[in-house]
Amino acid sequence: DQQVKQNSPSLSVQEGRISILNCDYTNSMFDYFLWYKKYPAEGPTFLISISSIKDKNEDGRFTVFLNKSAKHLSLHIVPSQPGDSAVYFCAASAKYGGSQGNLIFGKGTKLSVKP
Amino acid sequence: NAGVTQTPKFQVLKTGQSMTLQCAQDMNHEYMSWYRQDPGMGLRLIHYSVGAGITDQGEVPNGYNVSRSTTEDFPLRLLSAAPSQTSVYFCASSYSKAGTAYEQYFGPGTRLTVT
Repeated sequence: DQQVKQNSPSLSVQEGRISILNCDYTNSMFDYFLWYKKYPAEGPTFLISISSIKDKNEDGRFTVFLNKSAKHLSLHIVPSQPGDSAVYFCAASAKYGGSQGNLIFGKGTKLSVKP
Repeated sequence: NAGVTQTPKFQVLKTGQSMTLQCAQDMNHEYMSWYRQDPGMGLRLIHYSVGAGITDQGEVPNGYNVSRSTTEDFPLRLLSAAPSQTSVYFCASSYSKAGTAYEQYFGPGTRLTVT
């Protein structure tokens, strides 16, 4: 049973527009959420994170929003650039329950930004 | 800093062979982990370690062994390779605060094919 779900396998956006990537989770014990970006033949690289005590975190063009009541988070990229084309993974972590620090990943969303 | 390094980058094994995937980090991170990435499956945790001498199983541990004799190294052993272990393997490391690790840094991956 998937605890972290990214229901859109792919997303295509025009350069300069906003990209919105979505992620849902089922485990209410998750208290930290991360987004990773992955280019082909490379390892994932950390992009941005948010703690469950916040509802928004911003870093340059990237903003993550967390809606705890809906168990939903989203990553906004504004403006989108062709170099943002990659697979984006949502991940979650729970502090308790014997799995401290372990990340649970979604299946990823492939973002294509067209010039 | 080299960050997280993995060797080899590519490997082809025959069914039944054994091998060790190497992982090293030079950031003095306490937490290290191994993931496998399969098409359409995201990243799944195989084994993890919260410090030298301490290892534990993740989501998909069967067929793999790990050990952590030093802070820097965390090798992954395939005992008797099977075609189902064909995958891309990523090692990751992280700081650990009070037993909890969050943002993880990933290596470039090892692409393994078992025939």
